[in-house]
Amino acid sequence: SQTIHQWPATLVQPVGSPLSLECTVEGTSNPNLYWYRQAAGRGLQLLFYSVGIGQISSEVPQNLSASRPQDRQFILSSKKLLLSDSGFYLCAWSPSGGLEQYFGPGTRLTVT
Amino acid sequence: ILNVEQSPQSLHVQEGDSTNFTCSFPSSNFYALHWYRWETAKSPEALFVMTLNGDEKKKGRISATLNTKEGYSYLYIKGSQPEDSATYLCAPILTGGGNKLTFGTGTQLKVEL
Repeated sequence: SQTIHQWPATLVQPVGSPLSLECTVEGTSNPNLYWYRQAAGRGLQLLFYSVGIGQISSEVPQNLSASRPQDRQFILSSKKLLLSDSGFYLCAWSPSGGLEQYFGPGTRLTVT
Repeated sequence: ILNVEQSPQSLHVQEGDSTNFTCSFPSSNFYALHWYRWETAKSPEALFVMTLNGDEKKKGRISATLNTKEGYSYLYIKGSQPEDSATYLCAPILTGGGNKLTFGTGTQLKVEL
């Protein structure tokens, strides 16, 4: 069966510090991968998605970037965090060509 | 930007009540609609994926209908229980959208004893 992992579960970082959140999927190959964020008082918003290694599409202009160095690994990064980067970050995967999307446990990021 | 609206924004019901929520989305270029259930501190749980106009899906006490021509979906919960308390999210996918979900802001349901 497939599983999706995210870490860390919670993170408190000062403004201006770098960020790296990691997501890995097990039990499948060539998945589509997604990063979502829920900021305080707002809905769940798609940030990035990837259909293959090194292929990243950005949905909204922002202070963040994403990379996919391996087939089942998706990384969300920032060189310098802003207060507005605080939120709940969710990674998700879907089978290539499939409709279902499955979410990871999430990371609560607080930028102070 | 895809406009997805969910109503009501929040709902308080008593245990045993039946309830329903609405998801409205643009009807043009529709491909599929997802419903998710999201509890605090957990990851969203997939409830339904719907694609056909007039489709109706059921999972236990929860069911959903889809009208792609007018651009709406209803989610029904029969005999609400406290464990149904969660935020219910809908997310349509458009043709050519690459399976990208655009979520509504959700309906927050609280079921009280």
